[in-house]
Amino acid sequence: IAGITQAPTSQILAAGRRMTLRCTQDMRHNAMYWYRQDLGLGLRLIHYSNTAGTTGKGEVPDGYSVSRANTDDFPLTLASAVPSQTSVYFCASSASAYNEQFFGPGTRLTVL
Amino acid sequence: GQNIDQPTEMTATEGAIVQINCTYQTSGFNGLFWYQQHAGEAPTFLSYNVLDGLEEKGRFSSFLSRSKGYSYLLLKELQMKDSASYLCAVMDSNYQLIWGAGTKLIIKP
Repeated sequence: IAGITQAPTSQILAAGRRMTLRCTQDMRHNAMYWYRQDLGLGLRLIHYSNTAGTTGKGEVPDGYSVSRANTDDFPLTLASAVPSQTSVYFCASSASAYNEQFFGPGTRLTVL
Repeated sequence: GQNIDQPTEMTATEGAIVQINCTYQTSGFNGLFWYQQHAGEAPTFLSYNVLDGLEEKGRFSSFLSRSKGYSYLLLKELQMKDSASYLCAVMDSNYQLIWGAGTKLIIKP
C-alpha cells in the first residue's frame, strides 16, 4: 500500500531549466493538490484538481503548470525554474474537496 | 485578507499537558483541521472540527469556537515522540485549505 508517492525525493536544478515533479496516488481520490512549504510560512497552494480532467489555480500559481489526465497522476511542471522556486513541494489528495488531505513524502527542490 | 495565527514555538515537559492555540480570519468557514508534521516529513491528519465544541481522540483533543474564530489542540500525557510541528488549517468558502505557519512543539524530559 503506497498511498501517495512523489518523485524525485530531491533535486538540484540550474535556473532556466524545465522540471516536472511527479505525483501518483493509489487511493482513487478525486481531488489532488500541490503545495510548497517554505520556512516560516504556512503551506501555500499552487494548483489543485477536484476531479480528473479539471485543474484550478491556488494562491501561488505563477511559474507552475499542472495536468490531470487521469485519477492517479498529477504532475507539476516548472517551465523555467528560478531561485525563488527553491522549496519543499508536497503533493496531497483527498476523497473529495471537503475531506481531509493525505500528503506525499515531498520533493526538496533547489534552484541555483 | 485571510489569516491564520498560531504561536511559533512552545516547550513542554514529558508527561505534561500542552494547549496549542489557533485564531483565524477567513472568507467563509467549512471546517478546521489540525495536522502533525515531524521534521523532514509530510503532514499527517490529526483532527477535524466543523461544529463548536470539543472533539476527543485518545491523548489528543481539539476545540472550536466559530463565533470567536478560535481553536486549540490539547495534547495530554506528552511523549517525546510528540515533538513536532502542529499545523492549523481552515477550509474557506471555496473549499480550499488556508494554513497557519505551524507551531513547533519541543518536549523536554
